[in-house]
Amino acid sequence: DGGITQSPKYLFRKEGQNVTLSCEQNLNHDAMYWYRQDPGQGLRLIYYSQIVNDFQKGDIAEGYSVSREKKESFPLTVTSAQKNPTAFYLCASIKRSGDSVYNEQFFGPGTRLTVL
Amino acid sequence: SQKIEQNSEALNIQEGKTATLTCNYTNYSPAYLQWYRQDPGRGPVFLLLIRENEKEKRKERLKVTFDTTLKQSLFHITASQPADSATYLCALVHNDYKLSFGAGTTVTVRA
Repeated sequence: DGGITQSPKYLFRKEGQNVTLSCEQNLNHDAMYWYRQDPGQGLRLIYYSQIVNDFQKGDIAEGYSVSREKKESFPLTVTSAQKNPTAFYLCASIKRSGDSVYNEQFFGPGTRLTVL
Repeated sequence: SQKIEQNSEALNIQEGKTATLTCNYTNYSPAYLQWYRQDPGRGPVFLLLIRENEKEKRKERLKVTFDTTLKQSLFHITASQPADSATYLCALVHNDYKLSFGAGTTVTVRA
């Protein structure tokens, strides 16, 4: 089955530590995204990548870093510079079709990060 | 500033009735608009999209309208069922493949 996997499902981190969230897709999708979701709020874009070895900051990139070395993988590192990292993190991807923007985003199951 | 607003209150309806959700936006010029369903603790799932030149789109019991003059989309669930209980998110899609999401409206359908 094709899809997006995120691991781990739950993650606990001590304050001051960096942590990396995994996102892998086998959908052969071109663009990948990281969002953060807080209770009662919508999804906020952290970073996105349209092609391998290229990525752009979203609306709340401070305290986060990403890499896109392979088409199927887009890991997110939450650094100690992120002041309030406890949240639900969602990874998503899109299959680009030429210039079409009419494509749905496929989401992973999410990782819930808690800072102790 | 840019803003996307969905129904501020949760929606509680009786089974069989129609649920109507609103999505209003300001200072955006989206290429198109999408609706997603999200169940607790899970990632959103795509439901429907509607383009800026389309007035209405239907899929089974779901209907979406898009009024670019009013800067508003309406999402209808007809003949609602308890299984429709979830949070529904609207998303504006920009030409650079970025999406901007609303906070969502939580719908509860009572049997």
